[in-house]
Amino acid sequence: DQQVKQNSPSLSVQEGRISILNCDYTNSMFDYFLWYKKYPAEGPTFLISISSIKDKNEDGRFTVFLNKSAKHLSLHIVPSQPGDSAVYFCAASLGDKIIFGKGTRLHILP
Amino acid sequence: DTEVTQTPKHLVMGMTNKKSLKCEQHMGHRAMYWYKQKAKKPPELMFVYSYEKLSINESVPSRFSPECPNSSLLNLHLHALQPEDSALYLCASSYTDNEQFFGPGTRLTVL
Repeated sequence: DQQVKQNSPSLSVQEGRISILNCDYTNSMFDYFLWYKKYPAEGPTFLISISSIKDKNEDGRFTVFLNKSAKHLSLHIVPSQPGDSAVYFCAASLGDKIIFGKGTRLHILP
Repeated sequence: DTEVTQTPKHLVMGMTNKKSLKCEQHMGHRAMYWYKQKAKKPPELMFVYSYEKLSINESVPSRFSPECPNSSLLNLHLHALQPEDSALYLCASSYTDNEQFFGPGTRLTVL
C-alpha cells in the first residue's frame, strides 16, 4: 500500500515558467512533508519541508503548499531553470521514518 | 562540515565475500539511516539508529548487518549477498525528525 504517491512519472516545463510537482498521501498522522531532488548517481538533496500544521512554506524559488483536507501537497518552482532538471521525490515523515514517493522526473526545456 | 560521506563509492563483490560500507557525518546529528535504492525507484528504508541504538529494522535479511560504533559513524556489514542485492546504498543523517541529509551513496554490484 503506497502511502505517498506521485502520480506523474515525468513533467516537461519551459525554462522561465512555473514547474508544479504534485504529491498525495494517505496517512493523516504524518507530521512533516519534504521534497528532495536527485541527480543521477548522487544521493537525494533536501530542498524544502513543511510541517503538518502549516499550509505554505517558501524558500527562494521553491514554495510548498499543503492541503490537509485533500491530503495533497505540491512543490512550485518559479522561475524554472535548466539546473532544476532532476528527479523530485516527495516524502512524508512519521517519527524517525521517512516514506518516499516514486518520484517525478522534471525536464526543463530551453 | 555539512556533509555525509560514504566509502567506497563503488563496490563489486562475489556472493561469498564479506565487505563493509562506511558512512560518516560530523554535524552532530543524533539519527543515522541506511537506505537501499534500485534504479528508477525511491529510496527504501533499511535501518535507523537513534542515539547510537538501533531503533528501526525494516525486516532486512540478516546478510545485512548494521553497526554504529559512535555518533559520527555508521557501518553496514555485508555477507553472503545475492545478485538482487545490487543497488545504490544511501546513508543519511538527521538532527530533527524531518530533514535528512544524504550521502552520495555506494554503488554495490554482487556477482
